[in-house]
Amino acid sequence: NAGVTQTPKFQVLKTGQSMTLQCAQDMNHNSMYWYRQDPGMGLRLIYYSASEGTTDKGEVPNGYNVSRLNKREFSLRLESAAPSQTSVYFCASSLGTGWSVTLDTQYFGPGTRLTVL
Amino acid sequence: GDSVTQMEGPVTLSEEAFLTINCTYTATGYPSLFWYVQYPGEGLQLLLKATKADDKGSNKGFEATYRKETTSFHLEKGSVQVSDSAVYFCALTSLKAAGNKLTFGGGTRVLVKP
Repeated sequence: NAGVTQTPKFQVLKTGQSMTLQCAQDMNHNSMYWYRQDPGMGLRLIYYSASEGTTDKGEVPNGYNVSRLNKREFSLRLESAAPSQTSVYFCASSLGTGWSVTLDTQYFGPGTRLTVL
Repeated sequence: GDSVTQMEGPVTLSEEAFLTINCTYTATGYPSLFWYVQYPGEGLQLLLKATKADDKGSNKGFEATYRKETTSFHLEKGSVQVSDSAVYFCALTSLKAAGNKLTFGGGTRVLVKP
């Protein structure tokens, strides 16, 4: 049981390049989330998916797109990377779909450190 | 909107010292409160949580009590170890119609020296 896995662990991009961050969970969770972590700002929600086939914007969605490929996988795409997107990106998942705090405890992956030059 | 404020670090302590990290929040409705810990090079792990006023969450010697009257959820540990060196995040969630969105504080780095 690997929990939440993310690939890659590190990535360096040039401004304007595109890439997709991958996330998978093996806990049969319904909800999945993408956060970015910047110094002194905690984690901020980019997008989330409350169930397979649905996605919704979080606090900072501009410049990103997501795909909930199936119940296990939730990818984050940067179409044209900018230096402001240099950050550490975390994927998380939770069992419920938003109605139960017990079910909705979020479990996090190890993160992807992205640098945009 | 919802927000979480926690003391800035770094907090540097000696082993066996008492640790307190302050956390206050503003939220609409009745939030649930969490402390997450991030060890070096790892993702966030849930440390403890409390879902209603006066609830005390506890885990690994850490405690925090949900104080609605002061809108606070301070984290405490009586005797820290070197292995407690990490970044600690206070967070809250208010249940929404779809999705469970965590709002995080900025994090407090704790360094415990032997």
